[in-house]
Amino acid sequence: GAVVSQHPSWVICKSGTSVKIECRSLDFQATTMFWYRQFPKQSLMLMATSNEGSKATYEQGVEKDKFLINHASLTLSTLTVTSAHPEDSSFYICSARGQSVWRRTGSKEQYFGPGTRLTVT
Amino acid sequence: AQKVTQAQTEISVVEKEDVTLDCVYETRDTTYYLFWYKQPPSGELVFLIRRNSFDEQNEISGRYSWNFQKSTSSFNFTITASQVVDSAVYFCALSSYNTDKLIFGTGTRLQVFP
Repeated sequence: GAVVSQHPSWVICKSGTSVKIECRSLDFQATTMFWYRQFPKQSLMLMATSNEGSKATYEQGVEKDKFLINHASLTLSTLTVTSAHPEDSSFYICSARGQSVWRRTGSKEQYFGPGTRLTVT
Repeated sequence: AQKVTQAQTEISVVEKEDVTLDCVYETRDTTYYLFWYKQPPSGELVFLIRRNSFDEQNEISGRYSWNFQKSTSSFNFTITASQVVDSAVYFCALSSYNTDKLIFGTGTRLQVFP
């Protein structure tokens, strides 16, 4: 159980275009989803936290108008990189936590998606 | 502020050697969680272990073992009899009980040569 998928797994886009990345929890309801960014050979940095039905909370230094996050349902969160530029090229990873998992196990564990590699040319 | 330090950026060993990956953390929270994740070349994060701050018992799972020492704020990870398939980047992470934010260390790249 606790499977998280991301789509697409990789994408190449031209500078100035927008790209949408989907994160889905396949077998549980994800009340909270997280979006991370990882530059090559670097660590994962949290970009934002989103709770279903609420506005996302962005980490300091992350432009909320550039990285639009929508968590409209308990199984889907989307990250849209607007007007992408080459410096936005990165590996974007989502994770999800389900309230039911937490209540049943007490676990604060997040389940990670496989990541989306974005290349902006 | 919370911080995770993985001082070893890269480690190379020969198969069957034992290897220990260090992790030192900083937090003001009294209740917190520590994690280890493996990231193979495919990029997908693989969960290895979660340990809460109340439980300082060491844990062993097959060839993996973890040594949690609150007194030194360390949560080290040992792979016994390493194998080529263990080659990956390993991340140590910290979260407080009250938030779900994961603070990752910079990772240790482990290369196991045949």
